[in-house]
Amino acid sequence: AQTVTQSQPEMSVQEAETVTLSCTYDTSENNYYLFWYKQPPSRQMILVIRQEAYKQQNATENRFSVNFQKAAKSFSLKISDSQLGDTAMYFCAFMKRATGANSKLTFGKGITLSVRP
Amino acid sequence: EPEVTQTPSHQVTQMGQEVILRCVPISNHLYFYWYRQILGQKVEFLVSFYNNEISEKSEIFDDQFSVERPDGSNFTLKIRSTKLEDSAMYFCASSLGQIYEAFFGQGTRLTVV
Repeated sequence: AQTVTQSQPEMSVQEAETVTLSCTYDTSENNYYLFWYKQPPSRQMILVIRQEAYKQQNATENRFSVNFQKAAKSFSLKISDSQLGDTAMYFCAFMKRATGANSKLTFGKGITLSVRP
Repeated sequence: EPEVTQTPSHQVTQMGQEVILRCVPISNHLYFYWYRQILGQKVEFLVSFYNNEISEKSEIFDDQFSVERPDGSNFTLKIRSTKLEDSAMYFCASSLGQIYEAFFGQGTRLTVV
């Protein structure tokens, strides 16, 4: 079974600054995907960024980038130039690359990020 | 942009009553999921559905729960006899395939009183 750990329950950052959210995971799988989802106060889950485990290059999506360390099983999210709209709960999630129809997500507990004006 | 839609956004029900939560996945998606999030806790997988049958279910998904896709567009989650501990946010999600990310609906907040 897979586990995803987000040990920081909450963080705060000044607007326009950079913040890094940590995530570690445990798995015996070799082929998998990792995701960061954002959950703003509206409660909808929005995909922020995705990383394929077989890719060494870290994924980037505008102001969002990841630091994927496969050997260390670490997957942190960096948010540059933080904006007030980034205030949300952020969930790290794991999905194994399944040969069958199963592609469920395993989530961490989430971290509450507050961006201060 | 296509999106997953869920109805209702909030449902209040009495303990022991049956509820049906509805979802319309993105039209060309093939894989469908239900997750739940008890307030303040992490999002938990309930069930995945593919090719008109359950492909995996968690230990949470006991005999009180069922899913179906009755008309090729809606995807429903039924809770037969609700308990207080079923109070949670329920998210429907769909994906195009196994290696594609899941897109989530806005959730249905279920309150059992």
